[in-house]
Parts: sequence; C-alpha cells; structure tokens
Amino acid sequence: TQLLEQSPQFLSIQEGENLTVYCNSSSVFSSLQWYRQEPGEGPVLLVTVVTGGEVKKLKRLTFQFGDARKDSSLHITAAQTGDTGLYLCAGPSGNTGKLIFGQGTTLQVKP
Amino acid sequence: AAGVIQSPRHLIKEKRETATLKCYPIPRHDTVYWYQQGPGQDPQFLISFYEKMQSDKGSIPDRFSAQQFSDYHSELNMSSLELGDSALYFCASSLGRTGDTEAFFGQGTRLTVV
Repeated sequence: TQLLEQSPQFLSIQEGENLTVYCNSSSVFSSLQWYRQEPGEGPVLLVTVVTGGEVKKLKRLTFQFGDARKDSSLHITAAQTGDTGLYLCAGPSGNTGKLIFGQGTTLQVKP
Repeated sequence: AAGVIQSPRHLIKEKRETATLKCYPIPRHDTVYWYQQGPGQDPQFLISFYEKMQSDKGSIPDRFSAQQFSDYHSELNMSSLELGDSALYFCASSLGRTGDTEAFFGQGTRLTVV
C-alpha cells in the first residue's frame, strides 16, 4: 500500500520567516503534486513534479522531487500571511489517475 | 479559464434521506474523480470515471452510486444517509488518467446530515 507522510503537521511562524514542508514515502511515484487548500474550499494545484531531482519555483515557493522519486519538499521563502492554509502533497496510486494524499501541513503565518 | 463546477455548494439532509451531488468537469476533460474529506482529514478517493465508464473504485459505501453522462458531467447519488456521511465532497477532473495526469478540483459540496 502506498503511503505519503507529511511533516510537520502543524507549523506556526512569523511573517518573513522561511519554512520547509516534507512529503515522504517508501514507494516510488511517477509524479507528485502539491495542493493548497483553504477552509471549506477545494484543493488548488500548485505544481506537479515528474523527474527525479527536479526543482520547480513558483515565486517564493520552491518544490523539489527526490532523486529516487520517493519524496518531495516545499520550501517557502519569506512567508506572508497570505500563505496561510493547508498544504497537501499527493501522488497517483495505480494507473487510473486516482490520488492518495499526505495528511497535510497546516501553516499559519502570523503578522 | 473554466474550472470544475460542483453543485450544490451546501446541502443539509436528514438521516435516511437521499442526496445527489453534481459535477461539471473542465471542458474537454474526460476523467472525473470523486473524493470525500472529513473534518481535519485528507481527501479520500471514492470513485472515478473515464470516458463515461467506471475506471476505479475506492472506499465508497454500497449506499453510494455514481455515473458519468454523455456530456461528461457526473453525479454522485447517496442514499440512506447517515450522520457519518457529513463531509466535504470534491469532484476533480483531468485530461487522461496516466501517472502524470494533473487533477483539478472543484470547490466542493459540504454535506451535513442531521
């Protein structure tokens, strides 16, 4: 059974600080996706990483896919209050496109 | 750009009633997925359809059924509702269903069973 484990589960930081969220598995994934979810809303796709060792940047967010394609990280530089939310990593399970999700990281950025 | 549309956004039903949730995928997307998200939990896969045929099935109760229609919209039918069915239900759509497929989620339907 494929599992994705995210850490930390909760993170409370001051505006301007940097942070890293980790998504780990013992299984190899063909790709991993990162979503951000606001309370009561649907997950919004931030990025998909496909190639082992790949690094993608989205403004202050940097996403990395592990060389072995078993893990990924999300790094936020100079966090802003607007970054507050639930961050979910997800990966395809099987060949039908269904996703399994990590438990999520709840990020609170205080002014 | 058009997104995944779900209706209704909120639904309150009594125990043992029936509910129907609708999902309109992004235009030209041929695959629809349904997920259930309980409070404080990550989304759990229920069922998916590819080109109007059931593609995969997860932890979906027998009381639930779903289908994808000729216009690619999908409906999730939930009968004999229980208190534990209260959750956010998300529909997602994608073009194709390979391991690199990107799924885009709707805003969800919040179902409350009282």
